[in-house]
Amino acid sequence: EIVLTQSPATLSLSPGERATLSCRASQSVSRYLAWYQQKPGQAPRLLIYDASNRATGIPARFSGSGSETDFTLTISSLEPEDFAVYYCQQCSIWPLTFGGGTKVDIK
Amino acid sequence: EVQLVESGGGLVQPGGSLRLSCAASGFIFNSYAMSWVRQAPGKGLEWVSGFSGSGGSTYYADFLKGRFTMSRDNSKNTLYLQMNSLSVEDTALYYCAKAPGRSAFDAFDIWGQGTLVTVSS
Repeated sequence: EIVLTQSPATLSLSPGERATLSCRASQSVSRYLAWYQQKPGQAPRLLIYDASNRATGIPARFSGSGSETDFTLTISSLEPEDFAVYYCQQCSIWPLTFGGGTKVDIK
Repeated sequence: EVQLVESGGGLVQPGGSLRLSCAASGFIFNSYAMSWVRQAPGKGLEWVSGFSGSGGSTYYADFLKGRFTMSRDNSKNTLYLQMNSLSVEDTALYYCAKAPGRSAFDAFDIWGQGTLVTVSS
C-alpha cells in the first residue's frame, strides 16, 4: 500500500501568513492526489483534486502543486476560517490511502 | 441538494455485528462510485471500502480481513456496510463518501456527517 507522509504535523501561523503543507508518497501516484480540510466536528471537505485542480467553491487562496511523489498545498494568505486539519489522499492505487494530517493552528 | 445521511451506528460488544446505512439524495445514485471512510476518535482518516459507479468492482482495505461487506441498493439510493466480528479497534466515526464520477480511483467530493460506532464491553 502507498504510504503518504505529511509534514509538518503542526503548523503555527498568524492570519495573513502563507501556509505551505507537504505530502510525500512512498511511490509515484502520478497526479492522482487530493487535499481535504477538516474542522472539529465536521466532515472533511474536498479542496484540491488531481494535484492542482480546485474543487467547486474553493477560494483561489488555496492551490496545489506537485506530481509523482512530492506534493504541496499552499494557502496564500490565511483567513481565520482556514485554521483546521488538512489531509492528503492518493487516488492512484487501491487501497486508497490518506496522510496523517497537518494541523494549522493560530500562533 | 446533494446529500448523504448515515445511520445505524451505536454501541456493540466485541465480536458483535452492525449494519450501517447511507441514504443518498440529489444525484443519480447508481452513476457514481461510493466509499466508506472511518475516523477513530482523535485520529486521521482511514479508507474502509468502496466500489465503482457501475457496481462492477468492490474493494476493501486489507486490515478488514473479510469482516466487512459493502453493498448498495440502487432502488433505494442506499449504501450499506455490514460489519461482523467487531473489535475495539473498529471504534470510529464512519463516513460514506461520493466520488465525482464512476471511477473508484477518485477523490470524494461529497461526505455525509458520519455515524459513530463504539465497540466496547
